[in-house]
Amino acid sequence: EVRLLESGGGLVQPGGSLRLSCGASGFIFSAYVMAWVRQAPGKGLEWVSSITASGDITYYADSVKGRFTISRDNSKDTLYLQMNSLRAEDTAIFYCAKVFEGYSSGSFVKWFDPWGQGTLVTVSS
Amino acid sequence: IQLTQSPSSLSASVGDRVTITCRASQGISSFLAWYQQKPGKAPKLLIYAASTLQSGVPSRFSGSGSGTDFTLTISSLQPEDFATYYCQQLNTYPYTFGQGTKLEI
Repeated sequence: EVRLLESGGGLVQPGGSLRLSCGASGFIFSAYVMAWVRQAPGKGLEWVSSITASGDITYYADSVKGRFTISRDNSKDTLYLQMNSLRAEDTAIFYCAKVFEGYSSGSFVKWFDPWGQGTLVTVSS
Repeated sequence: IQLTQSPSSLSASVGDRVTITCRASQGISSFLAWYQQKPGKAPKLLIYAASTLQSGVPSRFSGSGSGTDFTLTISSLQPEDFATYYCQQLNTYPYTFGQGTKLEI
């Protein structure tokens, strides 16, 4: 069974830092793109960042570019999100997701599945 | 790429047929996915490539469209379908989501 388990969330002051982790099991972690998605309280989903299977290419939402860094350790089957210069508007549940990008029934397809249960990050003084 | 879902909320009854639309601000081919989210839970993939049902998802769910206009249809609502639904484009980074459609009894 594919499982993703986030950790590292908590309360942090504005301007502070936090590192989230996402432990993966049940699949060949090093073969898949991975992503972080967040959801502010009572709001919709916002894609935050993605990283290629080898970790050599990363992508970021404009709202976090320059402040957040996605990385992975394929030897530990773990995805990370280093968050610096945190703001109140970064308060959210952060989900990690396994990304499928490949061919299915002859067509190139992409999707996010599964998602972890999420970890709550609260930025407040 | 902006995704606009409509309606933002929808009241319906068990057995109803409902349709949610998702419009992209520019063409995204068929790189569109639909997710269902229940309160306090992570999103769950329902449909990918605009119209392909994810394994294990009931056949009352269906998706259609390509380019800029997409729909998610639930043919006969069941009690467990009351949730919030999101579309997501995966054509170009950033992989944006629609604002969500809350389906209520």
